[in-house]
Amino acid sequence: GAVVSQHPSWVICKSGTSVKIECRSLDFQATTMFWYRQFPKQSLMLMATSNEGSKATYEQGVEKDKFLINHASLTLSTLTVTSAHPEDSSFYICSAENGQGLDTDTQYFGPGTRLTVL
Amino acid sequence: GESVGLHLPTLSVQEGDNSIINCAYSNSASDYFIWYKQESGKGPQFIIDIRSNMDKRQGQRVTVLLNKTVKHLSLQIAATQPGDSAVYFCAENAGGTSYGKLTFGQGTILTVHP
Repeated sequence: GAVVSQHPSWVICKSGTSVKIECRSLDFQATTMFWYRQFPKQSLMLMATSNEGSKATYEQGVEKDKFLINHASLTLSTLTVTSAHPEDSSFYICSAENGQGLDTDTQYFGPGTRLTVL
Repeated sequence: GESVGLHLPTLSVQEGDNSIINCAYSNSASDYFIWYKQESGKGPQFIIDIRSNMDKRQGQRVTVLLNKTVKHLSLQIAATQPGDSAVYFCAENAGGTSYGKLTFGQGTILTVHP
């Protein structure tokens, strides 16, 4: 149980275009999902916290107009990178918090999406 | 952006040896800690967690030790196997108004030689 999927697993796009990444909790409902970015040989950096039915909370330094987050249902959150540029190339990872039962704090991570902007 | 020349700590062990990976955390208010394993090109995989009211917790082949006095966390892997080779991250949750938000450590590269 507690499986999180991401789609696509990798994407290559041209500079200036927008890319949407989906994060789904497959076998549980997630009221809260998180989006992280990870550059090569670095740790995960939290970008934003996504709550179902409300606006996302962005970390300091993360442009909310550039990284649009929508959490329309208890099993789906999307991250749209708008007007992507080469410096946005990174590994984007989502996690979903299982708010049911004893492991309310546990975050389950998706497999990540590799974004390359040419 | 990306830091040039950043080097993660590394640990190389022989198959069958025990491994100890260390982590220093920064927030004395953190009350929940997790160890994750990340293989190349994949998302982090939950290994084991511990709450601040405990100082030791054991799982299958893994043990996490928490020393709140010096804000130190360690992960012990018994009888390390080649499949354990990965980057290991500790993460802390400060609770309170930051409930649910995890802060990740820099990571340690574990290489297990057959």
